Amino acid sequence: DAMVIQNPRYQVTQFGKPVTLSCSQTLNHNVMYWYQQKSSQAPKLLFHYYDKDFNNEADTPDNFQSRRPNTSFCFLDIRSPGLGDAAMYLCATSSYRGVSGNQPQHFGDGTRLSIL
Amino acid sequence: LAKTTQPISMDSYEGQEVNITCSHNNIATNDYITWYQQFPSQGPRFIIQGYKTKVTNEVASLFIPADRKSSTLSLPRVSLSDTAVYYCLVGDIRDNNQGGKLIFGQGTELSVKP
Repeated sequence: DAMVIQNPRYQVTQFGKPVTLSCSQTLNHNVMYWYQQKSSQAPKLLFHYYDKDFNNEADTPDNFQSRRPNTSFCFLDIRSPGLGDAAMYLCATSSYRGVSGNQPQHFGDGTRLSIL
Repeated sequence: LAKTTQPISMDSYEGQEVNITCSHNNIATNDYITWYQQFPSQGPRFIIQGYKTKVTNEVASLFIPADRKSSTLSLPRVSLSDTAVYYCLVGDIRDNNQGGKLIFGQGTELSVKP
């Protein structure tokens, strides 16, 4: 089945140690998103790619970076994780079809990041 | 982007119809209304999307009045497995500058009891 895959499901890192989360998709969607979801809160959009065009949300900390080397893969880099960055990180994809607009987003099941 | 307001929580019993209403007073002309469902430790899952009047699919119905300032997600005959958080989102899916981005509100935690 076509899907959005996030690896690993659980990631533990040390305070200040860079960490990378990965997302892959088999849907061939041209838009990919990263969300942060803290416990008992709604997902919060960090940034998204439309093809190779990167769009950062105004309130996304500089500590968070992203890379999209090709259509299928997208990475979230946290340069110096702090305790406040412990959260579930969700990747999503959608297909933007011009006049029809964006199709509904497909989400992966997330990577839960813990900071020691 | 239009802000949404939903009840924080709702309780129901198996077999009942559940209606969750979302207020979006500042909805723009080009905005669509989309609902997602999220189970613990999973990503949100698309349920239904609409622009006006009524939309129905195999899992839910979406009712949107003429002024579009609110919408109601209707889940027929809920089961225990429908216990989840339901999010109402409003946005212009045709605006590529927004990338179809979604701004999640607080969501409604639905608890279905036996």
